[in-house]
Amino acid sequence: ILNVEQSPQSLHVQEGDSTNFTCSFPSSNFYALHWYRWETAKSPEALFVMTLNGDEKKKGRISATLNTKEGYSYLYIKGSQPEDSATYLCALANQAGTALIFGKGTTLSVSS
Amino acid sequence: EPEVTQTPSHQVTQMGQEVILRCVPISNHLYFYWYRQILGQKVEFLVSFYNNEISEKSEIFDDQFSVERPDGSNFTLKIRSTKLEDSAMYFCASSGRGYTFGSGTRLTVV
Repeated sequence: ILNVEQSPQSLHVQEGDSTNFTCSFPSSNFYALHWYRWETAKSPEALFVMTLNGDEKKKGRISATLNTKEGYSYLYIKGSQPEDSATYLCALANQAGTALIFGKGTTLSVSS
Repeated sequence: EPEVTQTPSHQVTQMGQEVILRCVPISNHLYFYWYRQILGQKVEFLVSFYNNEISEKSEIFDDQFSVERPDGSNFTLKIRSTKLEDSAMYFCASSGRGYTFGSGTRLTVV
């Protein structure tokens, strides 16, 4: 059974702090890793889809890296803002068109 | 930007009743999915649908569940006889080049 683990489960930082979270996954049968940002009562918002070992992607103050050989991805947020408060989900696809296997998410709370 | 829309946003039903959750996927997407999240737990895959048939389903998706694409645009999830433990957020998604999720239906079984 594929299992995707995320850590930490929750995190509280001050405005302006930089932070990072980890997503771990089985390195065999890897196709793609998705990162989503999910605010309560809204759709999960796609942040990144990563497929290649060594990939680095950036969207504003948020960036992500991927290591498919060791089975992990990091999500970084630089200079956290209160509007970054959300749950960040990673999800693994092991082939095109198949279901995503989600981690439990990291819930970030940013205080001003 | 194209969206996946889900209705209703919130449904309360009595235990044992049938419910139908509705989704309109993005029109040129070919794969459709249902996921659910029970409060405090992981988002769980239920079923995927491709070419008018189920392509993959999880062990959660038992005989109480069924999916249909009745008219070429809607994609429905039916729960025949709801149980208390079916209370969850149910998300529909469709995929083409990427995945897009709907905003979910909160199902409360009382």
